[in-house]
Amino acid sequence: EAQVTQNPRYLITVTGKKLTVTCSQNMNHEYMSWYRQDPGLGLRQIYYSMNVEVTDKGDVPEGYKVSRKEKRNFPLILESPSPNQTSLYFCASSLFGSGSSYNEQFFGPGTRLTVL
Amino acid sequence: TQLLEQSPQFLSIQEGENLTVYCNSSSVFSSLQWYRQEPGEGPVLLVTVVTGGEVKKLKRLTFQFGDARKDSSLHITAAQPGDTGLYLCAGDESGGSYIPTFGRGTSLIVHP
Repeated sequence: EAQVTQNPRYLITVTGKKLTVTCSQNMNHEYMSWYRQDPGLGLRQIYYSMNVEVTDKGDVPEGYKVSRKEKRNFPLILESPSPNQTSLYFCASSLFGSGSSYNEQFFGPGTRLTVL
Repeated sequence: TQLLEQSPQFLSIQEGENLTVYCNSSSVFSSLQWYRQEPGEGPVLLVTVVTGGEVKKLKRLTFQFGDARKDSSLHITAAQPGDTGLYLCAGDESGGSYIPTFGRGTSLIVHP
């Protein structure tokens, strides 16, 4: 089954404790991205990757890191989480990068993160 | 700055009613997509529109892309409880931006 998987689905942590949220897709997609979803603010892109070893900042990259060492994986790293990073996080992938007229993004199930 | 404005933000209706959700911008988009998101899940693509004036139908859902490719609408006929969810529009700006723009969403509740 073609899908995007994220782990963990739920995470409660404390300020300053480094964490990683994993994301994997099995569709051989080139483009992957991370979003956060907050009430009243909608989906905002954190980072995106056009291909292996190519990453770039989205709209809200502060406090986050990513890496793309393999095509299928795109982990999101919070080196020193803070309470304002409490949010619902989605990983997404698509065949090509945004800018293609037929770019469908496939989203993972989400990771609900709470930073105390 | 939110480049895609969705309205209304919330909609609570009875089963069988019709409704329209709007997605507006001052920017021109090369394509625009509509997603539906159910609680506890990620957004799922409903449709992509790419041509100004284009109309696409998906059962009881009708999607329209404005002639100038700056706006879009989603019309649902005879809404059902299964239509309940968050509807998001997303656009790729003309000019090759690699960051898609999402609207804030319309939360729809259809009561039986």
